[in-house]
Amino acid sequence: QSVLTQPPSASGTPGQRVTISCSGSSSNIGSNTVNWYQQLPGTAPKLLIYSNNQRPSGVPDRFSGSKSGTSASLAISGLQSEDEADYYCAAWDDSLSYVFGTGTKVTVL
Amino acid sequence: QVQLQESGPGLVKPSQTLSLTCTVSGGSISSGGYYWSWIRQHPGKGLEWIGYIYYSGSTYYNPSLKSRVTISVDTSKNQFSLKLSSVTAADTAVYYCARYDSSGDYFDYWGQGTLVTVSS
Repeated sequence: QSVLTQPPSASGTPGQRVTISCSGSSSNIGSNTVNWYQQLPGTAPKLLIYSNNQRPSGVPDRFSGSKSGTSASLAISGLQSEDEADYYCAAWDDSLSYVFGTGTKVTVL
Repeated sequence: QVQLQESGPGLVKPSQTLSLTCTVSGGSISSGGYYWSWIRQHPGKGLEWIGYIYYSGSTYYNPSLKSRVTISVDTSKNQFSLKLSSVTAADTAVYYCARYDSSGDYFDYWGQGTLVTVSS
């Protein structure tokens, strides 16, 4: 029962910019930082963006995150074939639970 | 480099207790600032946080699973464990263990995951 809503799919051609939205509420995104995870097919999720807009070491700078109010976004600029994956937003919820988004499957056309 | 590895039965009968262990290498489970976590993913579905434990033994559980979940830690073995009681087919999922960085509220290291099927 995800409380963070994402579009089920997004797509683009190589080189394009793709944006994924994540909608929450005042108890999660509105009051806590947002993280994004990338899950390549058949693998464990990987931390992609933390604290709304920070990239861990090794994550390409074509990935960027932002947050405004109770929503957040992940942008992939210069889309590459290896970016084809599922993407999840996540945040701590003040109901004392860590919540993930519904997930977005990115397809590179 | 911290590494996590899940282990345990891949098949559990309905009404029984699911038990998994996560072994941590490349770092001490007693390092402050980190919580040791379980997350699951139903087949073809999204991620669900189960709970986590601090090395001191303090635990935090997902309210929706709290009545059935127990997470414990063995610092001498650098391991932590999950027990989920009274399982049903709805508990069939890939179970991941992960390290939670409390300074930023994110999971930075994950195990590869293990599929647990609940079936008679």
